[in-house]
Amino acid sequence: AQSVTQLDSQVPVFEEAPVELRCNYSSSVSVYLFWYVQYPNQGLQLLLKYLSGSTLVKGINGFEAEFNKSQTSFHLRKPSVHISDTAEYFCAVSDMGGAQKLVFGQGTRLTINP
Amino acid sequence: DSGVTQTPKHLITATGQRVTLRCSPRSGDLSVYWYQQSLDQGLQFLIQYYNGEERAKGNILERFSAQQFPDLHSELNLSSLELGDSALYFCASSVGQTLTYEQYFGPGTRLTVT
Repeated sequence: AQSVTQLDSQVPVFEEAPVELRCNYSSSVSVYLFWYVQYPNQGLQLLLKYLSGSTLVKGINGFEAEFNKSQTSFHLRKPSVHISDTAEYFCAVSDMGGAQKLVFGQGTRLTINP
Repeated sequence: DSGVTQTPKHLITATGQRVTLRCSPRSGDLSVYWYQQSLDQGLQFLIQYYNGEERAKGNILERFSAQQFPDLHSELNLSSLELGDSALYFCASSVGQTLTYEQYFGPGTRLTVT
């Protein structure tokens, strides 16, 4: 079975500063990896996903993530954040085969201060 | 707007009761997924249907059941409700049956059990 650990429950940063949201996963099989964003009172929206190929994945809104198989990590980064990036961010994993089921981390609340 | 609709938006009911949550997927999407988001359990995958058939099952309680109808809308039935069932219930839809296809999330139904 897979599991996901988001190492920070809350991350406060100043506007225009860089940010990294950390995600580690555990799995005995090959996985797909995802980052989702949830704005207040809304559903989730896919930011980016890693299925295969290049380990550096670019997503929407200037976010990117790097898959590191040896460290079983999939950290999310943005070089310069905006007030509008204030949201909850969820890392998720699924195995590649069989009945694929998303397993989510506990979420990281990103707060952008002016 | 993701194109996925969920009704009702809010639901308040008493313990022991039964409720039905409804989800209409995006036009052309054949898969519907159900998720539960609660403070205690976080985000959990419940169940997936693809073109009317159950495709994958997650942490869905026996008191809960779901189905997908020929017009592809889906219903999640929750019975013998307990206080701990209070949560936000999301559905998501995608065009294919695997997680390689992007899921689009609805705005959710907030269930409060008193």
